[in-house]
Formats: sequence, C-alpha cells, structure tokens
Amino acid sequence: DTAVSQTPKYLVTQMGNDKSIKCEQNLGHDTMYWYKQDSKKFLKIMFSYNNKELIINETVPNRFSPKSPDKAHLNLHINSLELGDSAVYFCASSRRGEARYTQYFGPGTRLTVL
Amino acid sequence: DAKTTQPNSMESNEEEPVHLPCNHSTISGTDYIHWYRQLPSQGPEYVIHGLTSNVNNRMASLAIAEDRKSSTLILHRATLRDAAVYYCILRKGGADGLTFGKGTHLIIQP
Repeated sequence: DTAVSQTPKYLVTQMGNDKSIKCEQNLGHDTMYWYKQDSKKFLKIMFSYNNKELIINETVPNRFSPKSPDKAHLNLHINSLELGDSAVYFCASSRRGEARYTQYFGPGTRLTVL
Repeated sequence: DAKTTQPNSMESNEEEPVHLPCNHSTISGTDYIHWYRQLPSQGPEYVIHGLTSNVNNRMASLAIAEDRKSSTLILHRATLRDAAVYYCILRKGGADGLTFGKGTHLIIQP
C-alpha cells in the first residue's frame, strides 16, 4: 500500500484554467502539507493542515487553496493557472508532536501550464 | 532561519562509506538537524535527524560537532540506489514546514 499518494501524476493544462491535485495518506497522520518544486529544483513549503486548520501559508497566491475533506486527504485547488505555476507539487504528511519532524512525501504531480 | 551550506555535488564508489558534510554556523539551541534525500523523479525521503548527540538508524548515521556548527551524514556502505540529492535542514522546535536548500547531489560510481 502506498503511504502517501497523489493524483494525477502528470497534469498538462492551458493558462487560465482551474485544476485540482488530490492527496491521500493512509498513515493515520494528523498533519498534511503541500510543497512546490520549481524548475531549479528548489522545494518550498506552501501549506500545512492540522485537524482541518491551516497552520502555515508561505506567501502563496490566493489562487491556490488547500481543501481537506477529512484527516486523510488534502487536495490542492489552483484557479486561473499561470505559466509560472508549472512545477512539481508534492504532498506530505506527519504526526503531531515530536514525530512531526519526520515527514512522508508523495511521488509528486508534475504540472505543466501551456 | 539559520542557514545550511552543503557541497553542490560529491562522488563516491559503490560499497564504500560516504561522508556528506553540512555547515550550519548560525544554528540556534532549539534547531534540530534533519537530513532528507530525494531520489530521481521521487519525493523527498526522511533519512535521520538529531539535536546534539550522534544518531544511528538503519539508513545512516548522523555525526554532530560538539559546537553544533556542522554535521556529517554517514552512509556506511553506499549502493547505486543511494544516488540522490541529500538535503541538510534545520528546524526549530515548534515549526512544521521544512525549508530545503540546494542539497548535495551524490553520485555513486559502480
């Protein structure tokens, strides 16, 4: 069983469209995250959710919105896609407390905006 | 946030030990030292973390300098599957997001 899964693996879309990336974890973790890896391979935290509450938002444009229907899922919605949104997006999860230092990452979703 | 400095790349031979250095001269007392790695076309993978004492797990060992201004990730016997980008990350107690730098691209020669 995959611990942290993401769908789709690849997403190609036109500028201006709205798209979603889904993430699910079966580890029973309390906290989930979204990271963005750009073309220069820098990985940056975008959001983290803990018990349905947003606890980090690293100056991400409000076109990006995380939505968590339950503790096992954290989906990423992106409105009005721009060329600069092209990147690989990684979902991750962790427990709370001391164990939050160990994060488990999904395989990534490569988003290409044309 | 305190910064880390790592070599851009390192090369090693298969079945030999690998020592990956990380400098963090501005580390504060509450910063934990974490190591993650990212294999090609995969998400990052937790390797090890520590605060002051050296740490060992099934994947690697972490040696932390007495003044905590540097640390070394040790892979005891490198395999081709260890070829990846290795990230040294500082996290303050209480923070949740990871701040990744450029990392060290480890190349393993057969």
